Amino acid sequence: DAEITQSPRHKITETGRQVTLACHQTWNHNNMFWYRQDLGHGLRLIHYSYGVQDTNKGEVSDGYSVSRSNTEDLPLTLESAASSQTSVYFCASSESGPFGYEQYFGPGTRLTVT
Amino acid sequence: GDSVTQMEGPVTLSEEAFLTINCTYTATGYPSLFWYVQYPGEGLQLLLKATKADDKGSNKGFEATYRKETTSFHLEKGSVQVSDSAVYFCALSDQNFNKFYFGSGTKLNVKP
Repeated sequence: DAEITQSPRHKITETGRQVTLACHQTWNHNNMFWYRQDLGHGLRLIHYSYGVQDTNKGEVSDGYSVSRSNTEDLPLTLESAASSQTSVYFCASSESGPFGYEQYFGPGTRLTVT
Repeated sequence: GDSVTQMEGPVTLSEEAFLTINCTYTATGYPSLFWYVQYPGEGLQLLLKATKADDKGSNKGFEATYRKETTSFHLEKGSVQVSDSAVYFCALSDQNFNKFYFGSGTKLNVKP
């Protein structure tokens, strides 16, 4: 069965370190998305991609970057981790087109920056 | 810009009670509408969706109708169970860019 996986599931890091969160999907979807989830804010879009070599900034992109070298993977990098980036991070993917396609979500990565 | 507003939680109900979680949206064009559910420690799962006005999405006893005239997509269930306790998110997808806009989530607690 197709799926979307994230690793690690839990990560503790120190302020100032670079961290990369992995996202891998086997749906063969063109669209991939990264969100963060914080109490009181719901889900906020960090970055998204519509295909290989395409990346776009979401509403909370400062301090984060992504790259898309193949269809299956969209790693999220925190260039210099800050305590404000302590959060739960979700990756999602979807088909592309104007047909109301749903997004499929990974299980999430809980990141703590100390 | 596009946005979704859903009722604040938590919502606490007794088992077998009727559930309504309100959701209204603002969008240009003709968005698709979704309800997702999140159980503790898990990612979001699609519960139901509707892609055009007057469509009714349904799944596992939950229903929601896409009302363009009131820009609403309220979630309903006739008889909730303890196992329905979760956080529910309303979302819309714009037709051009497949971006999703999520509400802030409503936590549902169902007591036996």
